[in-house]
Amino acid sequence: DSGVTQTPKHLITATGQRVTLRCSPRSGDLSVYWYQQSLDQGLQFLIQYYNGEERAKGNILERFSAQQFPDLHSELNLSSLELGDSALYFCASSVASGGFGNTIYFGEGSWLTVV
Amino acid sequence: KNEVEQSPQNLTAQEGEFITINCSYSVGISALHWLQQHPGGGIVSLFMLSSGKKKHGRLIATINIQEKHSSLHITASHPRDSAVYICAVIRVRDDKIIFGKGTRLHILP
Repeated sequence: DSGVTQTPKHLITATGQRVTLRCSPRSGDLSVYWYQQSLDQGLQFLIQYYNGEERAKGNILERFSAQQFPDLHSELNLSSLELGDSALYFCASSVASGGFGNTIYFGEGSWLTVV
Repeated sequence: KNEVEQSPQNLTAQEGEFITINCSYSVGISALHWLQQHPGGGIVSLFMLSSGKKKHGRLIATINIQEKHSSLHITASHPRDSAVYICAVIRVRDDKIIFGKGTRLHILP
């Protein structure tokens, strides 16, 4: 158990809909990262928050948004869903904001299926 | 060309064999991670390296910063080591994490 909690574990929704994925980081971790893993693209970094502020942005679509709340949990909002958004979405957390000396802990992932 | 390349893509070996998985990268990095993803999908962080070598049980990870190359070794491999092993680097100029495509390892009993 990494200490990172993601909900829901599985989600099936229709095209055009909007969903919210939730992540609770490990206790004491200030950084939250979101990743998307699809069959054809592999793991892709989406976005990172550190202590409530956006820290780094990866290949995140404009239809997607995220935020980190004062209690450090984070939500990833996916809207106008398309079939190609079907993927496993991971959240991870770490103590610091940067890469050096920074172990990253992954959640179990949220499986999103868009039908 | 991908900034992080792993080889081999797939590897099948007999139980007990010594396994090596390689990762080469073309960007400046502040750290490199080796991750293990089991068939159920969950990801476990195995090692975080910025230099030298680390060992944990039967797993050994090395990194050569000058050559921009890292290796993950598994000694006395076991069927429970069957998983996808992913190399990920932290790009120093913007702290972004870049993943390799992964190496699918299958250890036969």
